[in-house]
Amino acid sequence: SYDLTQPPSVSVSPGQTATITCSGDVLAKQYGYWYQQKPGQAPVLVIYRDTERPSGIPERFSGSNSGTKFTLTISGVQPEDEADYYCQSADSTATSYVFGGGTRVTVL
Amino acid sequence: QVHLVESGGGVVQPGKSLRLSCTASGFTFNNDAMFWVRQAPGKGLEWVAVISYDGSIIYYADSVMGRFTSSRDNSKNTLYLQMNSLRAEDTAVYFCARVKYSYGADFWGQGTLVTVSS
Repeated sequence: SYDLTQPPSVSVSPGQTATITCSGDVLAKQYGYWYQQKPGQAPVLVIYRDTERPSGIPERFSGSNSGTKFTLTISGVQPEDEADYYCQSADSTATSYVFGGGTRVTVL
Repeated sequence: QVHLVESGGGVVQPGKSLRLSCTASGFTFNNDAMFWVRQAPGKGLEWVAVISYDGSIIYYADSVMGRFTSSRDNSKNTLYLQMNSLRAEDTAVYFCARVKYSYGADFWGQGTLVTVSS
């Protein structure tokens, strides 16, 4: 098995930048994805293929992958961005998938 | 628009079985692979299984291997998760999600709660 490691929490003031990291060896061989989940709701895909943003996701959400570290950046954080964020990837053969432990973003 | 609705959750005793369903609409169901993902109360997301567009290829998480079986009926636009030998640690909200290679799980259902308790 393999893991994706995220910080448990990140706090940021409105209008500032939130940076969430996700570390794991699998990220060197597979794409990374980010999901946003608000309380009582299903997850929503916010980044796919390391850096791509689905339609309808605000431009303030961006992603990067530097080999074994995957980063979600929220520029100009809004109060509605307060949520849990999960990274996700797969093993090299795409037969096993994994989520990071999640990061709670708190907007102060 | 894409719509996924899970059903079949409930309270079940340890060691018993339960079958979940996920009914899809708004897209060509037989073109896409599907995930099952679960979330224990107050915990993070855990991948459970992936099934290919035609049901011929299925992979499971180690935690459910040999106890859970996923299948699909493309004529009914429905995905299934048969859960046997349930344990307390299987208590979770179970989500189904459409997944496309390199595009991620782009649409999710609202989930169905499974509680394993005596």
